[in-house]
Amino acid sequence: DAGITQSPRHKVTETGTPVTLRCHQTENHRYMYWYRQDPGHGLRLIHYSYGVKDTDKGEVSDGYSVSRSKTEDFLLTLESATSSQTSVYFCAISAWTSAKETQYFGPGTRLLVL
Amino acid sequence: DAKTTQPPSMDCAEGRAANLPCNHSTISGNEYVYWYRQIHSQGPQYIIHGLKNNETNEMASLIITEDRKSSTLILPHATLRDTAVYYCIAGGSGAGSYQLTFGKGTKLSVIP
Repeated sequence: DAGITQSPRHKVTETGTPVTLRCHQTENHRYMYWYRQDPGHGLRLIHYSYGVKDTDKGEVSDGYSVSRSKTEDFLLTLESATSSQTSVYFCAISAWTSAKETQYFGPGTRLLVL
Repeated sequence: DAKTTQPPSMDCAEGRAANLPCNHSTISGNEYVYWYRQIHSQGPQYIIHGLKNNETNEMASLIITEDRKSSTLILPHATLRDTAVYYCIAGGSGAGSYQLTFGKGTKLSVIP
C-alpha cells in the first residue's frame, strides 16, 4: 500500500463549512496527488504536488486548495464545502516499480456535504 | 492521455483465465499502458504496466499488440476475490508528474 494513510476516512459536514483532508505517506515519495471519484465519472485529478511547497492544478481544481509543507503530508482543503463536493477522495503517490514509475492509492475519504 | 475503450462488463468462471481487452488506438510512442483495479469502494490497486513488450508479474500478464493499438490483461486463474472494476489507462511518460485518466473500466464478475 506504499505507506499511504488518509484522514478522516469518513466525514459529514454542512454546506459552507471548511473541510481539510489529510494524506500522509511514510516513504518519502516526491509526487503526491488528490483525486475525486463520482459515479459516472471515474477518478478525476484535483491537484498534485511535485515537492514541498510545489503544487499544480488538475482537471477539477475549482473550489479546492492544497498545501504541502512537509514531504509526508499533502492536505486538501475545501474552503467552503458545497453539496457538489460530496464524493470519495483518494490520495496517491508516485513510486518506482521494476524501474518504472506508477501510482499507488490510499484507502479513500468519503465526504458527505449536507 | 490517449483515450481507451473497454467493454463495460465481463463474466469469468472461477479458476479460468480472465482476458480483459482494451483498445488504445491513439496511444503515442512514449505512453505506457497501465492496468488498475478497484475492488468495491477501495482505492485503485496497481496491477501491471508496459510500453511495448509483454509483461508478467505475480498478479497478471499484459499482452500489447505489435502496433500498440490494443492490449489484453490476463488473470491466469481468476478467483472470487478478483471481482472488481478493471481500468486500462494509456498515458504517462515516466516524468513523475503524469496524470492518470481513469475511464469507466470493465466490471469483471468471477462466478463460482
